[in-house]
Amino acid sequence: DAGITQSPRYKITETGRQVTLMCHQTWSHSYMFWYRQDLGHGLRLIYYSAAADITDKGEVPDGYVVSRSKTENFPLTLESATRSQTSVYFCASSESLGGGAGSEQFFGPGTRLTVL
Amino acid sequence: AQSVAQPEDQVNVAEGNPLTVKCTYSVSGNPYLFWYVQYPNRGLQFLLKYITGDNLVKGSYGFEAEFNKSQTSFHLKKPSALVSDSALYFCAVREGGGNNRLAFGKGNQVVVIP
Repeated sequence: DAGITQSPRYKITETGRQVTLMCHQTWSHSYMFWYRQDLGHGLRLIYYSAAADITDKGEVPDGYVVSRSKTENFPLTLESATRSQTSVYFCASSESLGGGAGSEQFFGPGTRLTVL
Repeated sequence: AQSVAQPEDQVNVAEGNPLTVKCTYSVSGNPYLFWYVQYPNRGLQFLLKYITGDNLVKGSYGFEAEFNKSQTSFHLKKPSALVSDSALYFCAVREGGGNNRLAFGKGNQVVVIP
């Protein structure tokens, strides 16, 4: 199906474990983003990518790692999960039109992660 | 750095009454402004955007927003609210010039009372 998908939708893990959240989009959008949503903070950007093999830090990158070997995939890895990383994670993508600044972002359904 | 402020945590409105969700922004240069809506346990859905041109922007589900440069505001409006409009609304801003990142406000919970 066309669109942007995330997996898993729900994940419970323990402190210190490595966790990878998957994001896949079928539009061939250039830009992809990872956000976390926490009560009282709205959405905060973790990492983003302008194209395959190009990634950059956002507002709250510590404790996270990303890669983008293919345009359609943008996995987010928590190398050693902590309780403070309990959150809802959203992936988004947007196309690049003349620099891309005017194109809206399309969001996936989210992954609810609980770190015990 | 760009930022947005959504001053009200929650907006309560009776069904059929006008709905306004407030947003003010701060950017250097021309602003690119967006509104998104989030229903429970769902991702954000794009409603509308202002890039340039007419200050009144029309979007999905009967929503519109008015860009006011002098007041640095981009308030979301709907003439007649529906119970199904109850959701979380986010304002976002991106700086012009090729930076594709968005800064989101903290969100407004809208409750439409039947």
